[in-house]
Amino acid sequence: QQQVKQSPQSLIVQKGGISIINCAYENTAFDYFPWYQQFPGKGPALLIAIRPDVSEKKEGRFTISFNKSAKQFSLHIMDSQPGDSATYFCAASRGNYQLIWGAGTKLIIKP
Amino acid sequence: DAGITQSPRHKVTETGTPVTLRCHQTENHRYMYWYRQDPGHGLRLIHYSYGVKDTDKGEVSDGYSVSRSKTEDFLLTLESATSSQTSVYFCATTTGQNTEAFFGQGTRLTVV
Repeated sequence: QQQVKQSPQSLIVQKGGISIINCAYENTAFDYFPWYQQFPGKGPALLIAIRPDVSEKKEGRFTISFNKSAKQFSLHIMDSQPGDSATYFCAASRGNYQLIWGAGTKLIIKP
Repeated sequence: DAGITQSPRHKVTETGTPVTLRCHQTENHRYMYWYRQDPGHGLRLIHYSYGVKDTDKGEVSDGYSVSRSKTEDFLLTLESATSSQTSVYFCATTTGQNTEAFFGQGTRLTVV
């Protein structure tokens, strides 16, 4: 019930392509779904977040798609660049202080 | 990094010894968190604090204790370190529930 399942574990995309990372959850009480980006040797940093009252949120090249009925949400990175190479984490919380994190996706953008 | 400093950045310690990790913030954020990060597990919450002297357990709190005597400092103590506590530890802060979390640079702890 508390898990957030993230896939794939790793992803290689050509420069200019679309990177897609998926997450699924079970707990319907979750009401906040952020995505974090982490570079080696650094702490995670918030990339974009969505609440379940909207189906899509876009910030620049980054878009979250949210499917409430399927209990899934995904991150799309358009026109992927080598600088986007990082580990991406989805997470979810239910109005408290505890973020439940996915296992992470290591994204490599090939020039 | 939103003024969050963790110390030490790296530590090697022996099994059975006590270890204290420090998190210091200059943002005056009310909420502070300690996470551990392990391959294949993402980040897991150890303990969090919602104010001075107010703390609560996260999902992996066994073997860990915390203290927060000032708004800016949040200490994580491993009472008797074990090899299973070898990990990268991150401190984070937020201004409230369901808000952006700001992370420190992490502490890599190795228990031998």
